[in-house]
Amino acid sequence: SQQGEEDPQALSIQEGENATMNCSYKTSINNLQWYRQNSGRGLVHLILIRSNEREKHSGRLRVTLDTSKKSSSLLITASRAADTASYFCATEKTGANSKLTFGKGITLSVRP
Amino acid sequence: SAVISQKPSRDICQRGTSLTIQCQVDSQVTMMFWYRQQPGQSLTLIATANQGSEATYESGFVIDKFPISRPNLTFSTLTVSNMSPEDSSIYLCSVVKVLGGQETQYFGPGTRLLVL
Repeated sequence: SQQGEEDPQALSIQEGENATMNCSYKTSINNLQWYRQNSGRGLVHLILIRSNEREKHSGRLRVTLDTSKKSSSLLITASRAADTASYFCATEKTGANSKLTFGKGITLSVRP
Repeated sequence: SAVISQKPSRDICQRGTSLTIQCQVDSQVTMMFWYRQQPGQSLTLIATANQGSEATYESGFVIDKFPISRPNLTFSTLTVSNMSPEDSSIYLCSVVKVLGGQETQYFGPGTRLLVL
């Protein structure tokens, strides 16, 4: 069954603006990860946040995790046209031994 | 990181036939997985490819339809058997590597399959 649910499903912003994408999940997790996929190609790992972490940064990416609400957000600051892609959150459930459950994905369009 | 290659990158097949997809990793890995991504959908885990033993399949996937081999720690194959148009998807292999104490899952470029 689907574990992660992202919202919005689609987001269109102007270059330079910030993009915020949210993910909710249902069960307890070891960690939550965000991936990017360009035009149906392979997935690129962006960032991993463990269940005992609340916030993490990587370059222009900021991810938060609220385990009490079972939700996470991915913020991309100062967006670029090259950020146009689909973004997926994936959770590793507690005891899942590295197996990931993916959300449906968010399509981000950054207009130049 | 991990460098993962998949062959073929894409194929068009007739229904009733089978296709074997190869996944090669540039270093030895313990955990290797196969995922399916149907058109416009998210990724669904098919199975865990276990080295030296039978793969572990997720609910809804069976060995007869998706036989998997894992002869060593750098290579695996997934066969899509007796294909139907519903099998048209992107098939991706992934591996887990531990870098700096953190487990990260890396994905191959995918094999885009169209079944006519």
